[in-house]
Amino acid sequence: SQQGEEDPQALSIQEGENATMNCSYKTSINNLQWYRQNSGRGLVHLILIRSNEREKHSGRLRVTLDTSKKSSSLLITASRAADTASYFCATDGAGNMLTFGGGTRLMVKP
Amino acid sequence: DTAVSQTPKYLVTQMGNDKSIKCEQNLGHDTMYWYKQDSKKFLKIMFSYNNKELIINETVPNRFSPKSPDKAHLNLHINSLELGDSAVYFCASSQRQGSYGYTFGSGTRLTVV
Repeated sequence: SQQGEEDPQALSIQEGENATMNCSYKTSINNLQWYRQNSGRGLVHLILIRSNEREKHSGRLRVTLDTSKKSSSLLITASRAADTASYFCATDGAGNMLTFGGGTRLMVKP
Repeated sequence: DTAVSQTPKYLVTQMGNDKSIKCEQNLGHDTMYWYKQDSKKFLKIMFSYNNKELIINETVPNRFSPKSPDKAHLNLHINSLELGDSAVYFCASSQRQGSYGYTFGSGTRLTVV
């Protein structure tokens, strides 16, 4: 079964707009990670946020984590056409293995 | 100087055949993984190896057997292929199990006909 569930499943925005993706999970975690997958390619690690952190930034990416609600969000600011991809959250919990959500398919229109 | 490389990239084979997918990482990572991504893009862990020792074996059929000759290589051998095995298989590695981001290979698209 999937640990994380992402919302929305698909998102279409115009270039320059912000994109927000949400992830919910079920069990306690050590950290939560976000990955990007371009069509036909492997996953690329974007950012890792530990369970004792609430917010983290990396360039145009902002990740928040609310362990009380078992949820995380990924915000991409000033989106570009090159940001078009699927975005996955993954949780690292008991057993220290990454369990992935179903992903959000983001399309950024030029 | 690819970090995690898998071969082949595409594999088309008939039901009942045996096939192998190879994976190598040059990052010096301690742990390697195999994931299966189905047609709906769901990713599921299959195996994890830490310094040549199997540490996770999710409920995959025993037709799937990982082999790790050294910590830089983790190959996946599949016996008696079935239609349902068609998927994209990803190899990944990390410096320490679970504590760091994973580096993924570009995937092997397996099609069983």
